[in-house]
Amino acid sequence: EVQLVESGGGLVQPGGSLRLSCAASGFTFSDYSMNWVRQAPGKGLEWVSYISSSGTTIYYADSMKGRFTISRDNANNSLYLQMNSLRAEDTAVYYCASHAFDIWGQGTMVTVSS
Amino acid sequence: DVVMTQSPLSLPVTLGQPASISCRSSQSLVHSDGNTYLNWFQQRPGQSPRRLIYKVSNRDSGVPDRFSGSGSGTDFTLKISRVEAEDVGVYYCMQGSHWPPLTFGGGTKVEIK
Repeated sequence: EVQLVESGGGLVQPGGSLRLSCAASGFTFSDYSMNWVRQAPGKGLEWVSYISSSGTTIYYADSMKGRFTISRDNANNSLYLQMNSLRAEDTAVYYCASHAFDIWGQGTMVTVSS
Repeated sequence: DVVMTQSPLSLPVTLGQPASISCRSSQSLVHSDGNTYLNWFQQRPGQSPRRLIYKVSNRDSGVPDRFSGSGSGTDFTLKISRVEAEDVGVYYCMQGSHWPPLTFGGGTKVEIK
């Protein structure tokens, strides 16, 4: 079964850090470019970051540049999002998704609050 | 950045009746390769988004044929020919022709009258 499973979400104080993981199975992960997309409570979808299949090309949404770092480990079929200097407005469900957006994970909730 | 504007915000529909959602982009979504990278997603309550349509009008595997996508340039439409109870949720368009950033529409909530 084709699957993406996110983990690593939780409650963090403003200014803190969190590392999200996304475990892929059921497909050849190393062939797929990947994205992170987030959804604030009751709001729409917002693209966060992209990484190419080899990891050599990376893009970020402007509001995440300098604070978030996307990476991947193709040997372990995993995608990551390191989030630093977190703000209240980063509170959201974070989804990993294939670049074709035909595969999505179930999401992991990040809450930034004191 | 390409701005995606959806309408309406909310769409109450009677079961068995058609529904139509509009998505407009701030610039043409025709890519230099000739393709138009416009996707439609469905997000049912409490679930992750699911892709329904890619490249304007291509239905994903397993998507009922009552869903159809059309349009060109800056004007796109998702149609549901006969709404069923399982179609309740929020629908999003997304462009992948001019990125980064990838951009989504604000969403249209489909509910049953």
